[in-house]
Amino acid sequence: SAVISQKPSRDICQRGTSLTIQCQVDSQVTMMFWYRQQPGQSLTLIATANQGSEATYESGFVIDKFPISRPNLTFSTLTVSNMSPEDSSIYLCSVAGRVSPSEAFFGQGTRLTVV
Amino acid sequence: EDKVVQSPLSLVVHEGDTVTLNCSYEVTNFRSLLWYKQEKKAPTFLFMLTSSGIEKKSGRLSSILDNKELFSILNITATQTGDSAVYLCAVTEYGNKLVFGAGTILRVKS
Repeated sequence: SAVISQKPSRDICQRGTSLTIQCQVDSQVTMMFWYRQQPGQSLTLIATANQGSEATYESGFVIDKFPISRPNLTFSTLTVSNMSPEDSSIYLCSVAGRVSPSEAFFGQGTRLTVV
Repeated sequence: EDKVVQSPLSLVVHEGDTVTLNCSYEVTNFRSLLWYKQEKKAPTFLFMLTSSGIEKKSGRLSSILDNKELFSILNITATQTGDSAVYLCAVTEYGNKLVFGAGTILRVKS
């Protein structure tokens, strides 16, 4: 399985500000995925980040709100912009398994609270 | 619209009990079904199922897939308090996109 380092682990932010979450993988991966888990809810895919191209966003998520960078095959960032209390969630990055691409492994997650 | 439905939503059992968690799915391009255990933030991978009727086991946990009836079950025998968690079912579509169910909250009382 891939080793995925995600930071920060948690943060408390003021509304109207932005937070950038980083995700570092110990090996090169083609696709990285960003998920959101709102309180009491399951995981929802925000976008798929491919190296060298723009991220692909799921319905209900837009680049202006969740800009993503993917400068190389081991690193990605997700920014939560102009935050409101509704953005309080756990944010998770994920990569596919090396042996079996259908498996997915997750970073430790970022617990974001917007006040 | 693709969907994954888990049941029950929550469950309280006593140590030593056996539990069965259910997951049904409707997706367009099914590739595999995954089970995860989520205790704090990051889901921990448990099983990946691709073939119908083949049971996968890991200690007290086992799982099986029925890709004709489009469901899977996760069994936990001789439950322990450490099994208390949210259990997530997800289906992988082509392109490695995961569609998650809402999860089952399991609480094991001592």
